[in-house]
This record gives sequence, structure tokens and C-alpha cells, in this order.
Amino acid sequence: KQEVTQIPAALSVPEGENLVLNCSFTDSAIYNLQWFRQDPGKGLTSLLLIQSSQREQTSGRLNASLDKSSGRSTLYIAASQPGDSATYLCAVTASGGYNKLIFGAGTRLAVHP
Amino acid sequence: IAGITQAPTSQILAAGRRMTLRCTQDMRHNAMYWYRQDLGLGLRLIHYSNTAGTTGKGEVPDGYSVSRANTDDFPLTLASAVPSQTSVYFCASSRDRGQGYTFGSGTRLTVV
Repeated sequence: KQEVTQIPAALSVPEGENLVLNCSFTDSAIYNLQWFRQDPGKGLTSLLLIQSSQREQTSGRLNASLDKSSGRSTLYIAASQPGDSATYLCAVTASGGYNKLIFGAGTRLAVHP
Repeated sequence: IAGITQAPTSQILAAGRRMTLRCTQDMRHNAMYWYRQDLGLGLRLIHYSNTAGTTGKGEVPDGYSVSRANTDDFPLTLASAVPSQTSVYFCASSRDRGQGYTFGSGTRLTVV
């Protein structure tokens, strides 16, 4: 059974720091991995999608890497800002069975001025 | 604006009542999903549909039903609501397996 783990569960940093959020999954047979952002009381916003054949994706200050063989992904946030404060969720799509997105519990990020 | 529309935004429902949560997408995505999000349990898949006319059960399907009469709509029905169905419900879609997911803004349901 695929399990997704995110470390740390919570993070509080001063503005301007570069951050690394970690995601690990137990079964390397995945279709893709997606990072989402969720603001309190809101829905999920897709940040980056990495296909299983890819190593990384970049969007602005965000960079996500994928090492499928070791079951790990990292989300790198450069020059963090207070507006980055949110919960970040990692999710994988299993390559077998039906099309199911399996989520980690998330990392709650607070960036203070 | 392309995306997913969920209605209602929030609802307080008496136990035993029937309720349908609506979900509509305008992206012509083949696959649609319903998730519930609960504190400490994360997001769990309730039902899914890989294409119009087909549906399947996710992790926590009991007490819920879905239909997919066309590409755009994927309603979720609670036949007889119970307090344990108090949750935030998210509808999502993807073009196909291997494509990214788009989520709606959610329905906050309280069953009393």
C-alpha cells in the first residue's frame, strides 16, 4: 500500500530564507507527483507536476525534484515571503489500479516578516 | 475562468436528510473525483469517474453515491446524512491518468 510522508510537519522561518520541504513515498511505481498549496479554509492550488520520467520542474521561486528510485521528492522555495505561508501537500498518482491521488499529511509553513 | 465549480460553499444539514453536493467542470477533463478532508486524516478519496458513464469506489465510499451522466458534472449524494460525514468535500478533475489534478474550492458540510 502506497504511503506518502512529509517532513517537517510544520516550519516557521523568517522572511528571505531558502526552504526545503521533503516528501517520501513507499512504492516507486508512480505515474507522477504533484505539489499543492492550501491556504486556510481554501481549496488546493496546484504548484508543480513532475512526471515519473522527469527529474525536476521549476516555476518562479519554486523548484521540485523527484528521485523515483529512492521514493523522494523535495520542494525548494527560494527567498521565502510572508505570502508563501500555507500548507504544502505532496501527492502521488499510483501507476497501477485506478487513477488515485495519494496525499501526504502536509507541511504547514509560516513565513514571518 | 476555466476550472471547477462546487456548490454549495457550506451547508448545515440535519442527520437523516438527503443532500447532493454539486460539481461542474468546464475543462473537458475525462476523470473526476470526490475527496473529503478531515483534520488528522488528510484527504481521502470517496468516489471517482475515469470517464462519463463510469464510476468507481475510492477509500471511503460508504454512505455516498455518485453519477456521471456527462463529462462536465459529477454530483455526490449523501442518501441519509450522519454526523461522521461532517467534513470538507473537494471535487477534482484531471484530463487523464498521468495529468495534473485541478481542485474545486470545497464544500464545508456540517451534519447535526
